[in-house]
Amino acid sequence: KAGVTQTPRYLIKTRGQQVTLSCSPISGHRSVSWYQQTPGQGLQFLFEYFSETQRNKGNFPGRFSGRQFSNSRSEMNVSTLELGDSALYLCASSLNWDQPQHFGDGTRLSIL
Amino acid sequence: KNEVEQSPQNLTAQEGEFITINCSYSVGISALHWLQQHPGGGIVSLFMLSSGKKKHGRLIATINIQEKHSSLHITASHPRDSAVYICAVRWWETSGSRLTFGEGTQLTVNP
Repeated sequence: KAGVTQTPRYLIKTRGQQVTLSCSPISGHRSVSWYQQTPGQGLQFLFEYFSETQRNKGNFPGRFSGRQFSNSRSEMNVSTLELGDSALYLCASSLNWDQPQHFGDGTRLSIL
Repeated sequence: KNEVEQSPQNLTAQEGEFITINCSYSVGISALHWLQQHPGGGIVSLFMLSSGKKKHGRLIATINIQEKHSSLHITASHPRDSAVYICAVRWWETSGSRLTFGEGTQLTVNP
């Protein structure tokens, strides 16, 4: 059974640009969560989607958005990139909210 | 403020030693997760527990709900156990899968 797949693995952007990251969950998993990991702030929750609906959102500015498609694949978008957005972005999927989360390998985003 | 605290931040052990990593949290939770992160970033979920004790191979996780405390034990540690171990909780009042994370414990096991 394939694991959680995140694309791309690495990305370099410049300030002011926008970026879209993709996450394909494990087959059958309907819950997808996104996290940001930085050396200074550690792991922080961004948002969670379940059956195409955003169920939870963390304390991030409106530049961070996401969506989930009918096949449970999810995308997150960051607009007007800032240097501080450089981070490892992790996606995790689970059958439902009360089940273990399975993490992808992440997308490492660098802002120049 | 809902918080998760881990100790120690860094831990160095010799191969074969018994290792304990601790996690404390501030208010009621519905689940606690122990995660392992290797260099390069990938995270593996080791345990999810809401009460008692779970064991998988050389790893044991316990939780004391009254004390708001959990421990992760590694028996007969091995250099391949070297990684960052992260405690994460789902608060009682949270809907969905939202997790709050501790800062992690960097474990190094020397041969």
